[in-house]
Amino acid sequence: DTEVTQTPKHLVMGMTNKKSLKCEQHMGHRAMYWYKQKAKKPPELMFVYSYEKLSINESVPSRFSPECPNSSLLNLHLHALQPEDSALYLCASSSPQGKRTGELFFGEGSRLTVL
Amino acid sequence: GEDVEQSLFLSVREGDSSVINCTYTDSSSTYLYWYKQEPGAGLQLLTYIFSNMDMKQDQRLTVLLNKKDKHLSLRIADTQTGDSAIYFCAENSGTYKYIFGTGTRLKVLA
Repeated sequence: DTEVTQTPKHLVMGMTNKKSLKCEQHMGHRAMYWYKQKAKKPPELMFVYSYEKLSINESVPSRFSPECPNSSLLNLHLHALQPEDSALYLCASSSPQGKRTGELFFGEGSRLTVL
Repeated sequence: GEDVEQSLFLSVREGDSSVINCTYTDSSSTYLYWYKQEPGAGLQLLTYIFSNMDMKQDQRLTVLLNKKDKHLSLRIADTQTGDSAIYFCAENSGTYKYIFGTGTRLKVLA
């Protein structure tokens, strides 16, 4: 199973709403990532969890709040977003082995629209 | 800075070969990757090459690496309409930060 599952596939929210994006993998990977992707652009790293601890936060605004409840799950909590936050949010995982970070496996993404 | 450059667009006829190029900047990169992204979907890992290799072949895909020029290419043999997508190269030097290229949109004409 080389699958990363993201829900929901599409999300429309107002600027005052609170919502969450969810990500799950059962490959035993110990690193999980959130990326943001705008149209026709490469993915931009937001957060990395390594062994369930936040390892990297790329200066992401606090209206985005990540959570890693266990080694298989990764959430992204959204609150008071702005229209410019509309994008495809991609979850990924990898299996660190020694000095090797491992290949990134991506989910299908959650398309977020902020009204 | 860390810029990984790719040409924006490539158009080929079905059955021809496609060559997508990538120029990276970090000489300490240990792994280089190629990803495919179809519309509305996530990134699919196609193949990767370790920096001590200069070529890797996997069915219709051939990856060439020129470390001296920091140049990576992906050749797709017998290109099909299903190969139409955006292709991203990515480099990684063993940290959790992968540097993605700007992406090349491949259009395959029937």
